[in-house]
Amino acid sequence: KQEVTQIPAALSVPEGENLVLNCSFTDSAIYNLQWFRQDPGKGLTSLLLIQSSQREQTSGRLNASLDKSSGRSTLYIAASQPGDSATYLCAVTLGGGADGLTFGKGTHLIIQP
Amino acid sequence: EAGVAQSPRYKIIEKRQSVAFWCNPISGHATLYWYQQILGQGPKLLIQFQNNGVVDDSQLPKDRFSAERLKGVDSTLKIQPAKLEDSAVYLCASSLHVSIRGRLFYEQYFGPGTRLTVT
Repeated sequence: KQEVTQIPAALSVPEGENLVLNCSFTDSAIYNLQWFRQDPGKGLTSLLLIQSSQREQTSGRLNASLDKSSGRSTLYIAASQPGDSATYLCAVTLGGGADGLTFGKGTHLIIQP
Repeated sequence: EAGVAQSPRYKIIEKRQSVAFWCNPISGHATLYWYQQILGQGPKLLIQFQNNGVVDDSQLPKDRFSAERLKGVDSTLKIQPAKLEDSAVYLCASSLHVSIRGRLFYEQYFGPGTRLTVT
């Protein structure tokens, strides 16, 4: 059974800092990995999707890396802003990619102004 | 493009009552998912539909939960009777496959969720 772990569970940093969120998964036979953002009372917004054959994906100030063999992914946020405050969720898919996602519990991020 | 729609947004019921949630996926999305997110946890897949057929319902508590997707578009999720531990946010997502360098990917788009409180 696939299990996804996210560390740390919560993080509070001053505005402007670069930060790293960690995700690990137990079954390396993933199809792809996604990072999501969840704001209070709202649904999930997809940030980055990494194919199993890729090593990283970038979007603006966000960079996600994937080391499939070691079962790890990191989300790097550069020059953090108060608007980045949210819960960040990591999720993986097995099988043919159309399968449901297995999520971690998330990292609750607070960026202090 | 309209996103995934869900209703109601909030629902409060007493234990042993019944409740139903509705989801309208993004137009043209063949795959639809229902997830349950308990406070402090990540979402957990309950059921997955491909058009109007069930692909995976292995984590659906079938003694009290049921779901259907008539005509392969809208979907309803029902709980009957509800228990206290069913208090959670119920998220609906839909996906459309995209081909990237000959490989298919299914990016899921989530609705705002329905927050259920069972008292």
